[in-house]
Amino acid sequence: NAGVMQNPRHLVRRRGQEARLRCSPMKGHSHVYWYRQLPEEGLKFMVYLQKENIIDESGMPKERFSAEFPKEGPSILRIQQVVRGDSAAYFCASSPPESPSFRIYEQFFGPGTRLTVL
Amino acid sequence: KNEVEQSPQNLTAQEGEFITINCSYSVGISALHWLQQHPGGGIVSLFMLSSGKKKHGRLIATINIQEKHSSLHITASHPRDSAVYICASTGDKLIFGTGTRLQVFP
Repeated sequence: NAGVMQNPRHLVRRRGQEARLRCSPMKGHSHVYWYRQLPEEGLKFMVYLQKENIIDESGMPKERFSAEFPKEGPSILRIQQVVRGDSAAYFCASSPPESPSFRIYEQFFGPGTRLTVL
Repeated sequence: KNEVEQSPQNLTAQEGEFITINCSYSVGISALHWLQQHPGGGIVSLFMLSSGKKKHGRLIATINIQEKHSSLHITASHPRDSAVYICASTGDKLIFGTGTRLQVFP
């Protein structure tokens, strides 16, 4: 049973470009969480999704950031017109359908995507 | 001020030492979590606590709800315990501490 997969592991973009980060949850998991870890800062919750639904996006910046988790395929975190301040590690985690929300102990983390904006 | 504070920020120890990492939170919570982040970045959930004490191998986590404080202890520390340890509170919001960077030297 493969774990949570994220790709790419490293992504370099120039200012103004778009970044697309992908997360494939563990088999059977229907909840996906995205977190951001800025350099020298702690993890911060961004968004919680279930299949075809955004449940909680209270941690998402209001502009340029969007997330989706379609019926088929991976969850996508999309950052439009990237700026240097977007450089960070982005982690996704997944949990089974029966998990209450925000129960981190039931979440399995991916290896992260390290975004560098030049 | 972060609503979840960890101390110390950095910790070095000799192999075999007993380690304590502290976490204080300022809001009501439903659960307190401890995570481990390895140098390569991978994150693993260690414990979820809502009261009392939990033990897993050489790791022990305790929580005092009245004092809004939790501790993570590592007994007989080993170099492979070197990692960043993160506490996180869940209630209305999910809030992470900034982490404690532990280095254990042989």
